[in-house]
Amino acid sequence: DAGITQSPRYKITETGRQVTLMCHQTWSHSYMFWYRQDLGHGLRLIYYSAAADITDKGEVPDGYVVSRSKTENFPLTLESATRSQTSVYFCASTGRDYVNTEAFFGQGTRLTVV
Amino acid sequence: AQTVTQSQPEMSVQEAETVTLSCTYDTSESDYYLFWYKQPPSRQMILVIRQEAYKQQNATENRFSVNFQKAAKSFSLKISDSQLGDAAMYFCAYRSAGTSGSRLTFGEGTQLTVNP
Repeated sequence: DAGITQSPRYKITETGRQVTLMCHQTWSHSYMFWYRQDLGHGLRLIYYSAAADITDKGEVPDGYVVSRSKTENFPLTLESATRSQTSVYFCASTGRDYVNTEAFFGQGTRLTVV
Repeated sequence: AQTVTQSQPEMSVQEAETVTLSCTYDTSESDYYLFWYKQPPSRQMILVIRQEAYKQQNATENRFSVNFQKAAKSFSLKISDSQLGDAAMYFCAYRSAGTSGSRLTFGEGTQLTVNP
């Protein structure tokens, strides 16, 4: 199916464990993003990527790692999960041209770190 | 860096009435895009309306319209004839039009309740 999908939808992990959230898009969009959503903060940018093998930090990158070896995939890894990383995570993508400015979002992953 | 502020954490409206959600932003750029996204309980982010900064005319999509005041850096959303399905969290967002600015910057969100 065309679109942007995240997996898993829900994840519970223990403090100190490594966890990877997956994001896949089928539009060949150049830009991909990871946001976290916390009450009172809206969506805050963790990392973004302008193209394959090009990534950059956003507003809250500490404790996270990303990679983008293929245009369609943009996984987010928590190297050693902490309770403060309990959040809802959204992946998004958008095209490069200025006509299609809309960002498309995945369904979100609710991550709980215990 | 750009910032987006939504000063109303919660709003409520009676069904069939009109409500306005506020958003202000700070930027030194002259060319950019502004968006309102809706997030229902399903968590899905849904684009409601977009505005290009170079356009003076306010965007309209059916019952949704914006009041874009570029000099005041204000971008409010008006929902007319509110429906129960409009109940959701609403986010205002900013995107630079420059080649390095494709990321969206969001406000804190406004939770809208629609009362029957």
